[in-house]
Amino acid sequence: DMKVTQMPRYLIKRMGENVLLECGQDMSHETMYWYRQDPGLGLQLIYISYDVDSNSEGDIPKGYRVSRKKREHFSLILDSAKTNQTSVYFCASSTGFNQAPLFGEGTRLSVL
Amino acid sequence: AQKVTQTQTSISVMEKTTVTMDCVYETQDSSYFLFWYKQTASGEIVFLIRQDSYKKENATVGHYSLNFQKPKSSIGLIITATQIEDSAVYFCAMREGNYAQGLTFGLGTRVSVFP
Repeated sequence: DMKVTQMPRYLIKRMGENVLLECGQDMSHETMYWYRQDPGLGLQLIYISYDVDSNSEGDIPKGYRVSRKKREHFSLILDSAKTNQTSVYFCASSTGFNQAPLFGEGTRLSVL
Repeated sequence: AQKVTQTQTSISVMEKTTVTMDCVYETQDSSYFLFWYKQTASGEIVFLIRQDSYKKENATVGHYSLNFQKPKSSIGLIITATQIEDSAVYFCAMREGNYAQGLTFGLGTRVSVFP
């Protein structure tokens, strides 16, 4: 079953805490993405990963880092979370440059 | 830099009619790919249809079709025979070039289908 799975789905953290968002896919897609979605700003690319240990900054990478040690798994890490990182985070994956990324269900993060 | 603009914030239509929504894009690249996604009320983002810049024919998938006007940098989405379940936010997105990179999204058009 082709699916991108995000964990957790909901998360509440206090400012200054570390946050780990996890994403998995079962399609062996080479490329994976992290986006955040905010009202009025739409979906913005945080990081893109082309394969294991081959990651590249997107449009808004500040305050985030990523890890990809296995093709199927892509993590987004917020070191010392800030209140302005409250958002809905989406992971996606794709294969080939002309294929539409498949999105996960999203993680709603609140940083208090 | 690539840019995607959806000027219609919301559209309301009656069930079983046709809805058309607009999207214009900016790119310096001669090769690019255009995508339409739907975000449901639950937040799920679902891919609908794609148009490759080098193809002249408008893409069609089920009751979704595209109106690709390359000289105007425009890619409209047409939904025929709308159903209540088509109520959602529709996003236009673009990827430049012949290599994997992130999509640039428009801000979306909310479609409400009424019985």
